[in-house]
Amino acid sequence: DTAVSQTPKYLVTQMGNDKSIKCEQNLGHDTMYWYKQDSKKFLKIMFSYNNKELIINETVPNRFSPKSPDKAHLNLHINSLELGDSAVYFCASSRGTSADTQYFGPGTRLTVL
Amino acid sequence: GDSVTQMEGPVTLSEEAFLTINCTYTATGYPSLFWYVQYPGEGLQLLLKATKADDKGSNKGFEATYRKETTSFHLEKGSVQVSDSAVYFCALYSGTYKYIFGTGTRLKVLA
Repeated sequence: DTAVSQTPKYLVTQMGNDKSIKCEQNLGHDTMYWYKQDSKKFLKIMFSYNNKELIINETVPNRFSPKSPDKAHLNLHINSLELGDSAVYFCASSRGTSADTQYFGPGTRLTVL
Repeated sequence: GDSVTQMEGPVTLSEEAFLTINCTYTATGYPSLFWYVQYPGEGLQLLLKATKADDKGSNKGFEATYRKETTSFHLEKGSVQVSDSAVYFCALYSGTYKYIFGTGTRLKVLA
């Protein structure tokens, strides 16, 4: 059983388009995250949600809008895509305590042409 | 703010060589520390962690000790295998559902 799943795995689109990435976890965790990994493998947190409530928004452009319909899902919608948005986006989840392990999805590779 | 500094890669070793990947951190207090591994084409997965000073995390032959006096959490393995080739990330829990990751160190092990 996949613990954290993301769809799609690959996304190729034109500049200016709007796209969404979906994430689901079946671990019963309260906290979910979105990370962006650039071509040099640098991993940066974008958002974190706890019990469907936004906790962290790391100065991400407002073209990025996360939505958490329930504790098991955290989707990422991106408007007006730009070349610089090309990256691998990872969803993760954890129980939300300080020493907790994060469980990562397989990633979505977004390419903006 | 809190930060994590890892040694630059790539690190290339022969099979059965000794591995050290350095990691130091800056943080207020004593955060929990983690090592994650990312195999090609996959998401990150926890390798080991330590939650307080002098704790040693270990898994799959890898070890790291939480050293508060040197603010370090270096990753070591006595004998690497080709299957250990991956990118390794040091991370800390910065509080309020926020984790900070290092830049990652790519390890390549040659047969």
